[in-house]
Amino acid sequence: NAGVTQTPKFRILKIGQSMTLQCTQDMNHNYMYWYRQDPGMGLKLIYYSVGAGITDKGEVPNGYNVSRSTTEDFPLRLELAAPSQTSVYFCASSFPTGANEKLFFGSGTQLSVL
Amino acid sequence: LAKTTQPISMDSYEGQEVNITCSHNNIATNDYITWYQQFPSQGPRFIIQGYKTKVTNEVASLFIPADRKSSTLSLPRVSLSDTAVYYCLVGDAAAGNKLTFGGGTRVLVKP
Repeated sequence: NAGVTQTPKFRILKIGQSMTLQCTQDMNHNYMYWYRQDPGMGLKLIYYSVGAGITDKGEVPNGYNVSRSTTEDFPLRLELAAPSQTSVYFCASSFPTGANEKLFFGSGTQLSVL
Repeated sequence: LAKTTQPISMDSYEGQEVNITCSHNNIATNDYITWYQQFPSQGPRFIIQGYKTKVTNEVASLFIPADRKSSTLSLPRVSLSDTAVYYCLVGDAAAGNKLTFGGGTRVLVKP
């Protein structure tokens, strides 16, 4: 099993550019998440999805958009990139039973906006 | 949302036991407590999960008192490779599975 796969691993953007961070999982998990982690800090939830066609905002959604057209894929879109979006982005998935959730994380995308 | 509070950092030495306590005063009845480990440049990795009393696996033990307002992750006989950041999460299904991480505890194991 590949688990949670994120692409690209690294990316440098210029201010104002746009890009899509890809995330796919092969575990048939219903729930998927996007987090960002600034240097030396904890993870902040950007968006999450409880199933195909359903998404909701997390703690820090501004400047980002998501879609969930399939169970497997949960891309994160950055429009008009800003230096404040320089961070490491992690995608995660889970198959919870009630509140008993266990997150599986991808290896991350390191993004620099210059 | 059930917020968590952990110490920012802890130092230890190889072979010692490390105990990290997490406070979660407003934990909900159905919430589970889950701990993750994160190495530099990697995503967090599940360590252990529990609801009450004590849970043990091959990596760690988790102690949860009867009031469930705190929990303690115990790492027995740590090695240098246990140097990492440890996060305590409290599941909040009522908030639509909006799992949020606190700042974590940086554990440094010294030789």
